Amino acid sequence: QSALTQPASVSGSPGQSITISCTGTSSDVGSYNLVSWYQQYPGKAPKLMIYEVIKRSSGVSNRFSGSKSGNTASLTISGLQAEDEADYYCCSYAGSNTWVFGGGTKLTVL
Amino acid sequence: QLQLQESGPGLVKPSETLSLTCTVSGDSISSSSYYWGWIRQPPEKGLEWIGSVYYSGSTYYNPSLKSRVTISVDTSKNQFSLWLNSVTAADTAVYYCARHDRAADAFDIWGQGTMVTVSS
Repeated sequence: QSALTQPASVSGSPGQSITISCTGTSSDVGSYNLVSWYQQYPGKAPKLMIYEVIKRSSGVSNRFSGSKSGNTASLTISGLQAEDEADYYCCSYAGSNTWVFGGGTKLTVL
Repeated sequence: QLQLQESGPGLVKPSETLSLTCTVSGDSISSSSYYWGWIRQPPEKGLEWIGSVYYSGSTYYNPSLKSRVTISVDTSKNQFSLWLNSVTAADTAVYYCARHDRAADAFDIWGQGTMVTVSS
């Protein structure tokens, strides 16, 4: 069970859109529509943003959206705001009641 | 409002056993809707799922840690616990407990995390 692959960092200017990819295999991301995304500020616990690939958690801005194609899931943040600067992690069901996280992506708002 | 709180020693010696407890308040741990999980995060690194437990006692472990991990649940105390044996410096991390919504298949409520350092 290997960690899902995410870019180490992405950046964007306020108002722009960015996309964070999360690449797995046919045994996890590719086999199940069970990808979730988490936002984590420094020193804080992660917060659920997206679940089941495309569904937003309660209270999450509609600027956040999820998608999936094949073995790669993606998180898109539109209308970037300074408060979006954080680390983002994807997670996928990997079969046999196991779950795997991505390595994390640091989002910088320029 | 549901809250999760981790507790346990912040310092563990190499080769010994790390032991943490997560106390759930604001709701019963005996719900068929949830698993209860442990996730860790080494300093400056990413999240790693350790394992999860169902209120019935059924357990699910990360294959890479399975040989060293035990997770149990105590419904009478509304708690679940983690034991990780034969620890090394590589097990130094912030350990989080979290509620895992089975329907959404997502960790929707997290504890604040507790730092555990493995050092002699």
